[in-house]
Amino acid sequence: GENVEQHPSTLSVQEGDSAVIKCTYSDSASNYFPWYKQELGKGPQLIIDIRSNVGEKKDQRIAVTLNKTAKHFSLHITETQPEDSAVYFCAASKESNDYKLSFGAGTTVTVRA
Amino acid sequence: ETGVTQTPRHLVMGMTNKKSLKCEQHLGHNAMYWYKQSAKKPLELMFVYNFKEQTENNSVPSRFSPECPNSSHLFLHLHTLQPEDSALYLCASSPVNSNQPQHFGDGTRLSIL
Repeated sequence: GENVEQHPSTLSVQEGDSAVIKCTYSDSASNYFPWYKQELGKGPQLIIDIRSNVGEKKDQRIAVTLNKTAKHFSLHITETQPEDSAVYFCAASKESNDYKLSFGAGTTVTVRA
Repeated sequence: ETGVTQTPRHLVMGMTNKKSLKCEQHLGHNAMYWYKQSAKKPLELMFVYNFKEQTENNSVPSRFSPECPNSSHLFLHLHTLQPEDSALYLCASSPVNSNQPQHFGDGTRLSIL
């Protein structure tokens, strides 16, 4: 089955700096890659996703890049703010598996004021 | 408002008790999921229901028994649980067989005494 690895497991950044989280996946057939943000006491919330027909997608301060050849994708958060502090999860899925998600282990991001 | 509501939010039970977790979605989705979230581990998919039919049982012990009476409601019946079953149980929903994102509830924090 699909194996998704996520790094780093923890990330501390100064407010205003950028944060980058990287994920690799094992199944070259995977073609849908969502990113979720989970705040304390809440369930994961989708923040951005990318499909394999594009290499980059941006939404305000958040961007995701996808390298299909290398089988890795990354989340970039610019101009970080304290409210960006949360656990972030990457995931991968494919059509032949009914788009069931395989998740990374998560990255705990702390933005220092 | 997440569109996916889980009750109760917290549950403490003994190993011999029987309890049920409830999930309800108002998003018009036809696929519903149960996940187990343990600290520092990827989300573990437990069960998948498409159009009320179970399509995935990810080697889950029989002490967990799901029920899906309709596309909007999902239950997880619990009995004779073990301490290692203590975790956050998340429900999610999505359109069936689609690369559209899954929407999560805020989970039930389960503690087994």
